[in-house]
Amino acid sequence: KAGVTQTPRYLIKTRGQQVTLSCSPISGHRSVSWYQQTPGQGLQFLFEYFSETQRNKGNFPGRFSGRQFSNSRSEMNVSTLELGDSALYLCASSLDSVGSGAPLHFGNGTRLTVT
Amino acid sequence: GQNIDQPTEMTATEGAIVQINCTYQTSGFNGLFWYQQHAGEAPTFLSYNVLDGLEEKGRFSSFLSRSKGYSYLLLKELQMKDSASYLCAVLNSNSGYALNFGKGTSLLVTP
Repeated sequence: KAGVTQTPRYLIKTRGQQVTLSCSPISGHRSVSWYQQTPGQGLQFLFEYFSETQRNKGNFPGRFSGRQFSNSRSEMNVSTLELGDSALYLCASSLDSVGSGAPLHFGNGTRLTVT
Repeated sequence: GQNIDQPTEMTATEGAIVQINCTYQTSGFNGLFWYQQHAGEAPTFLSYNVLDGLEEKGRFSSFLSRSKGYSYLLLKELQMKDSASYLCAVLNSNSGYALNFGKGTSLLVTP
């Protein structure tokens, strides 16, 4: 079974630009969660999507948004990029919603650098 | 909000036993996970505790005490490949379900 696939692996953007990251979950998994990982803050929860609906959102500004398609694939968008948005963005899928206690399966992430 | 604390770094010798502690404060506790993350790689699931007690899985065991807000991950017969970051994560039900991670414990296993 293929794992969680995130594209692209690396991105370099300029302040003020916007970016879209993509995540393909494991086949059959209906929940997709997004996390931001930085050396100083660790893994921080962005949002969870389940059956195309946003289930929960972390403490991030409205510049961070996402969506999930009917095939469970998910995209995350960051608008008006700031230097502080430089991070590894991890996507994780699970068979059931996060609240069920189902383990997360992480992709290898997208490394975003904002200059 | 919640607070999840774990040591930043630990060092242990190959073949030894190491215990990585995690303490948390939350009003909506619904379970605790441990994940392992090797440098440059994705986190991988190790264990999930929702009831008090010890869960054993091969060389790895995880313990939970909900009344104390405390968990530990026990790694036995350490191997060099166990050098990694170990992430404690609490499933919280305040304002919807979310999995909140500690900053991780970087474990170095030496020969």
